[in-house]
Amino acid sequence: QVQLVQSGAEVKKPGSSVKVSCKASGGTFSSYTINWVRQAPGQGLEWMGKIIPVFGTTNYAQKFQGRVTITADESTSTAYMELSSLRSEDTAVYFCARVVSKSGSYSHFDYWGQGTLVTVSS
Amino acid sequence: DIQLTQSPSFLSASVGDRVTITCRASQDISSYLAWYQQEPGKAPKLLIYAASTLQSGVPSRFSGSGSGTQFTLTISSLQPEDFATYFCQQLISYPWTFGQGTKVEIK
Repeated sequence: QVQLVQSGAEVKKPGSSVKVSCKASGGTFSSYTINWVRQAPGQGLEWMGKIIPVFGTTNYAQKFQGRVTITADESTSTAYMELSSLRSEDTAVYFCARVVSKSGSYSHFDYWGQGTLVTVSS
Repeated sequence: DIQLTQSPSFLSASVGDRVTITCRASQDISSYLAWYQQEPGKAPKLLIYAASTLQSGVPSRFSGSGSGTQFTLTISSLQPEDFATYFCQQLISYPWTFGQGTKVEIK
């Protein structure tokens, strides 16, 4: 059974950076594609980007380009999402999730981490 | 970016009711649509993918249909554990986007 376990809640000052981790178990990490999705309080879901760990290739949503960096460490089966220049609007729960590929196309997110609350406050 | 618009945004229903949620895409997304259920304080849970394929372990009262720009999620007989928020998601083009959500509450 695949499990994605994320790091704990963070409180950050405006202008600083945060790095959230997502450790995978129960499968072959090198075959995964890991995504990051955030959810502001009482709001919907927003896709931030993804990484294919075995290649290190990434895709980012234009909205976060230049502020987000997604990396992965195959030796520890862990993906990371770092968001810089934090502002109050970045206060949200950040989720990692695995996307499934079928017939060469991405299909759905089947496993999700438990979420990490990042609070940005002075 | 592809916009997904869900309707209604809020739905009040009783146990046993048949419930239908619609997701409309701003452009043709073929069948690259997934549906998720989210309970408060929890991660989303996959229900349906490829517009109409039921994820393993999901009760058969959930079904999905549609292609192109119009999709529906149907719960044939609402159960107490189904009161939650539902999201659709497109995965045909970046950035992958979600609908704004439909909250299903007890009448």
